Amino acid sequence: TQLLEQSPQFLSIQEGENLTVYCNSSSVFSSLQWYRQEPGEGPVLLVTVVTGGEVKKLKRLTFQFGDARKDSSLHITAAQPGDTGLYLCAGVGSNYKLTFGKGTLLTVNP
Amino acid sequence: NAGVTQTPKFRILKIGQSMTLQCTQDMNHNYMYWYRQDPGMGLKLIYYSVGAGITDKGEVPNGYNVSRSTTEDFPLRLELAAPSQTSVYFCASIRGWDTGELFFGEGSRLTVL
Repeated sequence: TQLLEQSPQFLSIQEGENLTVYCNSSSVFSSLQWYRQEPGEGPVLLVTVVTGGEVKKLKRLTFQFGDARKDSSLHITAAQPGDTGLYLCAGVGSNYKLTFGKGTLLTVNP
Repeated sequence: NAGVTQTPKFRILKIGQSMTLQCTQDMNHNYMYWYRQDPGMGLKLIYYSVGAGITDKGEVPNGYNVSRSTTEDFPLRLELAAPSQTSVYFCASIRGWDTGELFFGEGSRLTVL
């Protein structure tokens, strides 16, 4: 079983602060995705990283895929209340099995 | 295109009852997935399919069954419902992993009493 460990599980910060969410595994993934989910809705894809060492930026969000393709991080700069939500990482493993981490529940206070 | 359609959106079951959650996609996607999500938690993979006629177990398959007789449909059957199966169920599909985005249905909230 390919497990993804996300940390921290909960994060409450003030508007304007920076934060980093981590996604770690002992398994190698062919690609890794980050999703954001709001209450009562399905997850929405933020980014897919494929190449080891890859860095992708999406406005104030920076995503990094580890060199060994076992871990990833999401960094948010100058967080805003609209960033509040559940952030999920998901790894594509063998046989196209997509495994999710437990998520990081982020609250950004005005 | 309707995308991924799940029915029903809400259902209450009694312990021991059975039911089927329907999932249909009209995007000709090869890969389809069923997940369950407990409150404030991530998604756990129940079953998935890489194409019509092919299904495989995920992390938590016990108490569930699936079939994939067509590309469009991927129903999830609950046999002998238990309170532990109270959850929100999401169906998702993707054409291929080289094309990126996983599309999710709106979810089905199931309560077993």
